[in-house]
Amino acid sequence: AQKITQTQPGMFVQEKEAVTLDCTYDTSDPSYGLFWYKQPSSGEMIFLIYQGSYDQQNATEGRYSLNFQKARKSANLVISASQLGDSAMYFCAMRGHTGGFKTIFGAGTRLFVKA
Amino acid sequence: KAGVTQTPRYLIKTRGQQVTLSCSPISGHRSVSWYQQTPGQGLQFLFEYFSETQRNKGNFPGRFSGRQFSNSRSEMNVSTLELGDSALYLCASSYIEQGTNYGYTFGSGTRLTVV
Repeated sequence: AQKITQTQPGMFVQEKEAVTLDCTYDTSDPSYGLFWYKQPSSGEMIFLIYQGSYDQQNATEGRYSLNFQKARKSANLVISASQLGDSAMYFCAMRGHTGGFKTIFGAGTRLFVKA
Repeated sequence: KAGVTQTPRYLIKTRGQQVTLSCSPISGHRSVSWYQQTPGQGLQFLFEYFSETQRNKGNFPGRFSGRQFSNSRSEMNVSTLELGDSALYLCASSYIEQGTNYGYTFGSGTRLTVV
């Protein structure tokens, strides 16, 4: 079975500092995709970054980067130069062949950025 | 381009009633997925439609159903509402190329309250 684990229910970070949100996953699929989404208090989920399991390089999108360690089955999100607007819930997700390609989500990490 | 549109945004229903939620995906996206989000259970997958066919279904009772039309718009229906169905229902559309999903675009959600 596929599973996503986010062990940090809440995190605090000082504005302008970098923060790492942890995500580990479990799958037996040889090919899968990993995603991070942001959910502000408004409720809408926002796609941040995607990493394919066969991608050789870590994905980056502006201030977001994904630290992909395949052997350890981890896909941590790194946010550089945190901004107050980064305060939100962050969800790690995975999509693979098992379960018919449905995307499953972790429980989320709530990030608080302090001024 | 227009985003994913969900209607209505808010809904209050009485136990035993039924409800229909609507989702219009981004133009060109043929895959539509539905999720239920609650504080206790997080994001739970309901179903996924692709080109009018249900490709995947989550572990929800038969009271939850959906469909997709030829223009990719999707509806989900919940019959015989229960208090536990109170949740934020999120619709997500995605572009799938050669079997690879490059991430969801979510709608703002429909907040359903059952009283």
